[in-house]
Amino acid sequence: NAGVTQTPKFRILKIGQSMTLQCTQDMNHNYMYWYRQDPGMGLKLIYYSVGAGITDKGEVPNGYNVSRSTTEDFPLRLELAAPSQTSVYFCASSYRGGEKLFFGSGTQLSVL
Amino acid sequence: GQQLNQSPQSMFIQEGEDVSMNCTSSSIFNTWLWYKQDPGEGPVLLIALYKAGELTSNGRLTAQFGITRKDSFLNISASIPSDVGIYFCAGQSGANSKLTFGKGITLSVRP
Repeated sequence: NAGVTQTPKFRILKIGQSMTLQCTQDMNHNYMYWYRQDPGMGLKLIYYSVGAGITDKGEVPNGYNVSRSTTEDFPLRLELAAPSQTSVYFCASSYRGGEKLFFGSGTQLSVL
Repeated sequence: GQQLNQSPQSMFIQEGEDVSMNCTSSSIFNTWLWYKQDPGEGPVLLIALYKAGELTSNGRLTAQFGITRKDSFLNISASIPSDVGIYFCAGQSGANSKLTFGKGITLSVRP
């Protein structure tokens, strides 16, 4: 089982560049999430989706955008990268809201 | 907003020792979950708790859902080197509500 797959694993961006972090899951989960993890700060929710075509802001949405055109895919877009967006990003999915989350292996992003 | 408190931020133990971690909140949660994150990987669910007072084991791990519904405990017995990682608690206050995560405790195990 592939579970939740994130690409790329690592990326370095220059300030002002844009990029898309890809996330796909093969468990037919309705709910998908994007978190960022900063050292000693735990996991902060950026955006989430309860199903295809529906997205909503989490705790720290500024500077990010998402879309959910299919059940499987939930890409995260950074339009104008800033140093404050240097972090490790995790995508997750669950069958029901708030239930047991399945996480991808993360994308380590550095903005210089 | 809701917050979960985990402390200390880091713990250092000797291989073979038991270790306990707790997670507290000023808010009531209906579900408590414990996740472990290995270096370079995403968190993985260890134990889920659904009822106040519930005690659940998963191998050498035992977790309890506090009676007040404002805390939870995780115990690891006879630690081994592969127990190193970050342990997160998470709580859910209602059906379909989003999880709230603690900041995590980094566990180091000395051989």
